This record gives sequence, structure tokens and C-alpha cells, in this order.
Amino acid sequence: QVQLQESGPGLVKPSETLSLTCTVSGSSISSYYWSWIRQPPGKGPEWIGYIYYGGDTKYNPSLRSRVTISLDTSKSQFSLRLASMTAADTAVYYCARWDDYGDRFDYWGQGLLVTVSA
Amino acid sequence: DIQMTQSPSSLSASVGDRVTITCRASQSIRTYLNWYQQKPGKAPKLLIYAASRLHSGVPSRFSGSASGPDFTLTISSLQPDDFATYYCQESHTSLTFGGGTRVE
Repeated sequence: QVQLQESGPGLVKPSETLSLTCTVSGSSISSYYWSWIRQPPGKGPEWIGYIYYGGDTKYNPSLRSRVTISLDTSKSQFSLRLASMTAADTAVYYCARWDDYGDRFDYWGQGLLVTVSA
Repeated sequence: DIQMTQSPSSLSASVGDRVTITCRASQSIRTYLNWYQQKPGKAPKLLIYAASRLHSGVPSRFSGSASGPDFTLTISSLQPDDFATYYCQESHTSLTFGGGTRVE
């Protein structure tokens, strides 16, 4: 059974960099695309970006200048760094698997609420 | 950027009702359209992919269809477990989600 679990701080100060990690089990991280998605309170989800084994990445153009996604295959983990955080970045952050064969997010983590506040 | 517009934003329905939710893409996305269900405090769950293909384990009362830029999610007979928010998502370009439809 494929499982994803987000970890990281629940509170970040304005202007700081958010760092989150997603641990994958039940699926080879050397296949598929591994994604980050966020959802501000009361709004729809927003795709942040994804990474593929080998390091290929693609980011949402609206966030590209602040986002870095990396992969650690030895730990079956992938990570998100989002710089220059503001209150507008307050959201639930999800990691998810992107199945390129079916063009779909088929497995999601439970989500982690990140609040940006001094 | 592709914009995904869902309607209605919310609807009231009863158990046993047939429910239809619509999503319109601002430009052609062919059949690159997915539907997700989300309950409060939970992650979205995939229901339909490629506009009309049922994801594994999803009940057959859920179905999807496409007509040009318009996509429809239909629940043939609403069940108690189906009260939730539904999102469409284009998988053609920017993986953009719609604004959601709350079924209450």
C-alpha cells in the first residue's frame, strides 16, 4: 500500500524559508513523479511542482522563483523548500504521487498545516 | 494559464438524488481532466481521471463525461458518504484545480 507522510514545522516566520520532507513507502521512488501541492484555508488546491527520478523538475510558474524540490532516493524521501514566506503562503501542504501514465495525482499524504506568522 | 471554472460552487441535495457538477476549461485540454473528492481535514481523493475513467476502488455511481470545453461529474444516486467538496483538475498543462463544489 502506497503511503506518503509529510514532516516539517507548522509555524514559519515571514521572510524565512519553509523546508518540508515527504517520506514514501510502498512505492519505488525511482518511478513516478513526486509532487507538492498546497491548499490555503477555504480555497482549492494549488500545484507547486514535481520532481522525477534523475532530478528533472517542473514548477508552477507563479512560484518558480522561490521553489526548490529535491529527491533523496536512499531515504525514499523528497523535499520542498519555499523561500521568502509571507502570510499568503499559509496553507495545508500535501505531498502526492503524480502518475504520468494516467496523468493524475493518485496518492496523497495527509497534509501538514503551515502557518506564516511572526 | 488555463483557468478551471466549476459550477455551482455549492449545492444542496438529498440521499438518492442525482447530482451533476460542471467544470469548464478556459482553453482546450482535450480529455486531460481529473475529479477529486475532499472531506474536511482530509486530503483529496482521486475519483475520475482522463475525464471519464473511474479510478480503482471508486464506486460505479460516480461517472465523468466531456463535451468540448465542458466536463461533468455525475453521482447517480447520492449516498451519505458522498457529502463532500469536489474539485476538477486539468492535467494538460499547469495541473490547475477548479474552485470546488461543496455538496451538502
